Amino acid sequence: SQQGEEDPQALSIQEGENATMNCSYKTSINNLQWYRQNSGRGLVHLILIRSNEREKHSGRLRVTLDTSKKSSSLLITASRAADTASYFCATATYGGGGSNYKLTFGKGTLLTVNP
Amino acid sequence: GAGVSQTPSNKVTEKGKYVELRCDPISGHTALYWYRQSLGQGPEFLIYFQGTGAADDSGLPNDRFFAVRPEGSVSTLKIQRTERGDSAVYLCASSLKGAVSGANVLTFGAGSRLTVL
Repeated sequence: SQQGEEDPQALSIQEGENATMNCSYKTSINNLQWYRQNSGRGLVHLILIRSNEREKHSGRLRVTLDTSKKSSSLLITASRAADTASYFCATATYGGGGSNYKLTFGKGTLLTVNP
Repeated sequence: GAGVSQTPSNKVTEKGKYVELRCDPISGHTALYWYRQSLGQGPEFLIYFQGTGAADDSGLPNDRFFAVRPEGSVSTLKIQRTERGDSAVYLCASSLKGAVSGANVLTFGAGSRLTVL
């Protein structure tokens, strides 16, 4: 089953604009991560935000987390054509007495940045 | 190795055949994960190994799917009596469990694309 739900499913913007993607989830989490996937390739980790954090920055990326609303957003500023990819949020939970760490992915947002 | 290696990158097989997909994780990574990704979907969890043991196999869809990691490094995902619905990209990932207060980041391989005709 997939816990995270990204919104929108697809986003098309012009180079230089900002791109915002949202993620909602259902259960309590340890942390939330965002990954990027270029067509036909594996996923690459972008940024991680812990459940006790509200905002995190990394270069042109800004992530927010609202655990009361069970939602997160990923903002990419000053987008470039090379940012074109699918973006997935993944929620991290512990099970099995706290020893089993699992990442559950959403369906992703397909971002297209037009030159 | 420097990254997670998966072989084969592409596998075409006929319905009913047996398939093995191999994953070579980053050296020293104790945790290994298998995910399955269908077109237009996010990765779907299959199984998680901590060392040699399967700590969580709740995502395996049925008993045709099995995975092993006998020496705590390389893992093999085995699919018996393949069906057309098994067609997907099978992703392997590894992580260094316990790093950064338990906040683990997964490093993914490029995936094995399985097509069942």
